[in-house]
Amino acid sequence: SQKIEQNSEALNIQEGKTATLTCNYTNYSPAYLQWYRQDPGRGPVFLLLIRENEKEKRKERLKVTFDTTLKQSLFHITASQPADSATYLCALIRSYNTDKLIFGTGTRLQVFP
Amino acid sequence: DARVTQTPRHKVTEMGQEVTMRCQPILGHNTVFWYRQTMMQGLELLAYFRNRAPLDDSGMPKDRFSAEMPDATLATLKIQPSEPRDSAVYFCASQEANYGYTFGSGTRLTVV
Repeated sequence: SQKIEQNSEALNIQEGKTATLTCNYTNYSPAYLQWYRQDPGRGPVFLLLIRENEKEKRKERLKVTFDTTLKQSLFHITASQPADSATYLCALIRSYNTDKLIFGTGTRLQVFP
Repeated sequence: DARVTQTPRHKVTEMGQEVTMRCQPILGHNTVFWYRQTMMQGLELLAYFRNRAPLDDSGMPKDRFSAEMPDATLATLKIQPSEPRDSAVYFCASQEANYGYTFGSGTRLTVV
């Protein structure tokens, strides 16, 4: 079965730096991959979607890359702020014939002033 | 902004009791999902519907869990009888086609 790996250790960075989070998957390449943000006591919030034929997607300070050869997605937050502190979840959909989204366990990001 | 509404936000119940969780998806979203989140397992898909028809409930313990969508504005998840291992946060999400999911705030269930 598909496995999604995110670094379970928290990532601590200083305000203003670029945060980079990693998502690795095994087995088949997904049709597309999504990133979500989750704050304590809240549901995940959708951030970005990238398709298998796309290498990079940007939205304001966020950038996602997708390397189907490495089976990896990187999520970047530039000019990070303390308000970016949250858990970030990677999720993928296997094919265009399904809506089933499989989530990784997430990486906690802490941005300190 | 449109939102997915879940009730109740918190539920504490005794083992063996029936639990019903409700979800109001965003109007116009035709796919609705139920997820369970625990520290150990993360987010697990329990079941999902498209246009109110159940498409996949393979992630759900069938002997005690049931999911229904009686109309386009209501999805329910029932556990009967509940067990302590069911303690988790249950999320409902709805989706506009080919876009990200919108999650509700979840129901935190504690079974004692």
